[in-house]
Amino acid sequence: DQQVKQNSPSLSVQEGRISILNCDYTNSMFDYFLWYKKYPAEGPTFLISISSIKDKNEDGRFTVFLNKSAKHLSLHIVPSQPGDSAVYFCAVTTSGTYKYIFGTGTRLKVLA
Amino acid sequence: NAGVTQTPKFQVLKTGQSMTLQCAQDMNHNSMYWYRQDPGMGLRLIYYSASEGTTDKGEVPNGYNVSRLNKREFSLRLESAAPSQTSVYFCASSESRSQPQHFGDGTRLSIL
Repeated sequence: DQQVKQNSPSLSVQEGRISILNCDYTNSMFDYFLWYKKYPAEGPTFLISISSIKDKNEDGRFTVFLNKSAKHLSLHIVPSQPGDSAVYFCAVTTSGTYKYIFGTGTRLKVLA
Repeated sequence: NAGVTQTPKFQVLKTGQSMTLQCAQDMNHNSMYWYRQDPGMGLRLIYYSASEGTTDKGEVPNGYNVSRLNKREFSLRLESAAPSQTSVYFCASSESRSQPQHFGDGTRLSIL
């Protein structure tokens, strides 16, 4: 039973437009949420995070939104660039633990 | 600025052979982790080490052992490799719990 779901395996977006990646979780005990980006043959790279006390966190072109009532997390990339083409994983955890649960990933392709 | 270094990058084993995957981090992080990534699945935690001298099981520990050799190094051992252990293995480290994890570039392991 998947506790974290990324229902879109892939997404294509034109350069300069907004990319929106989604993630759903099932357990309301999760209170810290992260996004990672992964290029082929490399390890995941931390991108941005948000704690459950916030509903938005912004870092440059990347913004993460958290809707606790819907148990939904999204990552917005504006404007999208070809270098953003990668696989994006969401991850969730409960504060005070070491165990992260990762989604299955969404492959983003930004078209020039 | 190496971060997390994993060796080897690729390995092919025969069923029943043993193998140790090495991981070292130079960020003075307290916590270290081993994950496996299989097609269509997110990263799954095998074992983690909260701090030097401690190790704990993750989601999928069967068939593996770990050693936290010192603060820098955390190894993963397959005593008797099985085809089901064919995967990409990632090592990660973090300053403490509920902090972003930093990943190595992975070891691609094939067991025939």
